[in-house]
Amino acid sequence: NAGVTQTPKFRVLKTGQSMTLLCAQDMNHEYMYWYRQDPGMGLRLIHYSVGEGTTAKGEVPDGYNVSRLKKQNFLLGLESAAPSQTSVYFCASTSGWGVGSYEQYFGPGTRLTVT
Amino acid sequence: GNSVTQMEGPVTLSEEAFLTINCTYTATGYPSLFWYVQYPGEGLQLLLKATKADDKGSNKGFEATYRKETTSFHLEKGSVQVSDSAVYFCALSDDLAGNMLTFGGGTRLMVKP
Repeated sequence: NAGVTQTPKFRVLKTGQSMTLLCAQDMNHEYMYWYRQDPGMGLRLIHYSVGEGTTAKGEVPDGYNVSRLKKQNFLLGLESAAPSQTSVYFCASTSGWGVGSYEQYFGPGTRLTVT
Repeated sequence: GNSVTQMEGPVTLSEEAFLTINCTYTATGYPSLFWYVQYPGEGLQLLLKATKADDKGSNKGFEATYRKETTSFHLEKGSVQVSDSAVYFCALSDDLAGNMLTFGGGTRLMVKP
């Protein structure tokens, strides 16, 4: 049981290049999330998915696209990278929603630098 | 909208000192509250949670009480260890569709031997 894994761990891009970050979970979770972490700003939600084939915008979606073709995978794409997208990206998943608290499980992160 | 405010760090303590990290929130309705911890080079892990007013979450010697009247969820530990050095995030979820978390800015704790 690997939990949440992210690929790659590190990446350096030049402005204008594109890339895809892969998140995979083996816990059969319905909900998946992409966050970015910047110093002093905590984690901010980019996009999320409440099930296979669905996606929705979070707090900071501009410049990113996502896809959830399979339940276990959630892809984050940068079509034309900008220096402002230099950040650490975290993927998370959780089992469901409702009154109460459903713990989000986080991957180890991807450190992206755009020059 | 929802928001979470934490005390800025870094917080530097000696081993066995008492720890308090303040957290206050703004939310509509009755959110669930969380503390997550991030050790160097790792993702976030849930430390403790509380789902309703006056609930106390606890784990690994850490405690936090959900105070609706003061909209607070302060993290405390009676005696910190060097291994507690990490970044601590307060967060809330309003349990609406998507179960999204709103995070505070994080507080770095450094414990010296």
